Amino acid sequence: GAGVSQSPRYKVAKRGQDVALRCDPISGHVSLFWYQQALGQGPEFLTYFQNEAQLDKSGLPSDRFFAERPEGSVSTLKIQRTQQEDSAVYLCASNNGQVETQYFGPGTRLLVL
Amino acid sequence: AQSVTQLGSHVSVSEGALVLLRCNYSSSVPPYLFWYVQYPNQGLQLLLKYTTGATLVKGINGFEAEFKKSETSFHLTKPSAHMSDAAEYFCAVSVRAGSYQLTFGKGTKLSVIP
Repeated sequence: GAGVSQSPRYKVAKRGQDVALRCDPISGHVSLFWYQQALGQGPEFLTYFQNEAQLDKSGLPSDRFFAERPEGSVSTLKIQRTQQEDSAVYLCASNNGQVETQYFGPGTRLLVL
Repeated sequence: AQSVTQLGSHVSVSEGALVLLRCNYSSSVPPYLFWYVQYPNQGLQLLLKYTTGATLVKGINGFEAEFKKSETSFHLTKPSAHMSDAAEYFCAVSVRAGSYQLTFGKGTKLSVIP
């Protein structure tokens, strides 16, 4: 596709459930980022991939958060044993690693009840 | 580490009036600076960016911003507001190293009054 896509767009989970959020970056983009945007806040960095290598995961808030990009294209952000404080919009972005602009997907809105 | 402060969480302007959204940054190394716009239930769209060179940067939809190193500012302006400009605006900074991860401000919601 022409842009970054994310699925699902909306996810409602019961507290304690595991969820998986998918990101399809722009074709050919080597770099992929995940951000978390809480209500009324700016996005906050979670993790960064260059191809299949996860080079920075300093923003992941706990060990319940896990991200992967096994073939260097599609990425999945997994949250285990969801908590109410995990409710947020999860944004994915990609770029080709040589320029500075990140292109964002529409986000996945996660609500944990 | 870098940080961004956006002054004013909510700004209201009349249609046709000047738009001024303020952004100050902190960075120990020369930064890249960005303005993104977010419409409801959509992702972030790049308005403009400063990397090197000319400090006055022009973007889409008539917006521009000026990088002022001495003031550590990167304010966003538009001479005449349009109803379609109503959205949330985020200023962001990244540094020329590593992942180029973005550090965002908390955002400014712009309302345009007809």
